[in-house]
Amino acid sequence: KNEVEQSPQNLTAQEGEFITINCSYSVGISALHWLQQHPGGGIVSLFMLSSGKKKHGRLIATINIQEKHSSLHITASHPRDSAVYICAVRILAGSQGNLIFGKGTKLSVKP
Amino acid sequence: EPEVTQTPSHQVTQMGQEVILRCVPISNHLYFYWYRQILGQKVEFLVSFYNNEISEKSEIFDDQFSVERPDGSNFTLKIRSTKLEDSAMYFCASKMYFLTSAMNTEAFFGQGTRLTVV
Repeated sequence: KNEVEQSPQNLTAQEGEFITINCSYSVGISALHWLQQHPGGGIVSLFMLSSGKKKHGRLIATINIQEKHSSLHITASHPRDSAVYICAVRILAGSQGNLIFGKGTKLSVKP
Repeated sequence: EPEVTQTPSHQVTQMGQEVILRCVPISNHLYFYWYRQILGQKVEFLVSFYNNEISEKSEIFDDQFSVERPDGSNFTLKIRSTKLEDSAMYFCASKMYFLTSAMNTEAFFGQGTRLTVV
């Protein structure tokens, strides 16, 4: 069973487009992370959310705890945004902070 | 900006050999993690480490795996006798503290070590 589901799996956009990537989860969580994985494999943490909304530059992340859903938005997308975006959750009970990952959304932004 | 450093970036080893993957977490962080990502698959949790002992491990983390923090700065993952299916990208992560589930802090990831078992 997949506790974290992301959609879409693949996304191709034209430069300048507004992009939305969705994440749904089926477990109680204490926090949700959005991560960016570069083509070389390295992972960078973009956001950590437990409620509401966060903004950093052209990136916006929102979470709805009741609906168990989060979205990552990219405004004015650029080819350098091309990467795999991963949603990961920290479950509420038991774990000492390890994350459960989604399969990722591969974003390709064309010039 | 502080960062988690992993070495080597790529390691090729023969099946049955022992490998040690090294990580230098951010200096004031207290929680350390290893994750792995098999090519084309999602990232999976292996083990978490706090106060010089394993705090949690997954089913993947069997007797072939071990972790230690030998000198207070490095955090290592050892695979005793590598198998072909151990080929993956291994990520180290660290975070500052963990008081309660209501007070999470962000985890910082290293760039990963690509392990290829031949």
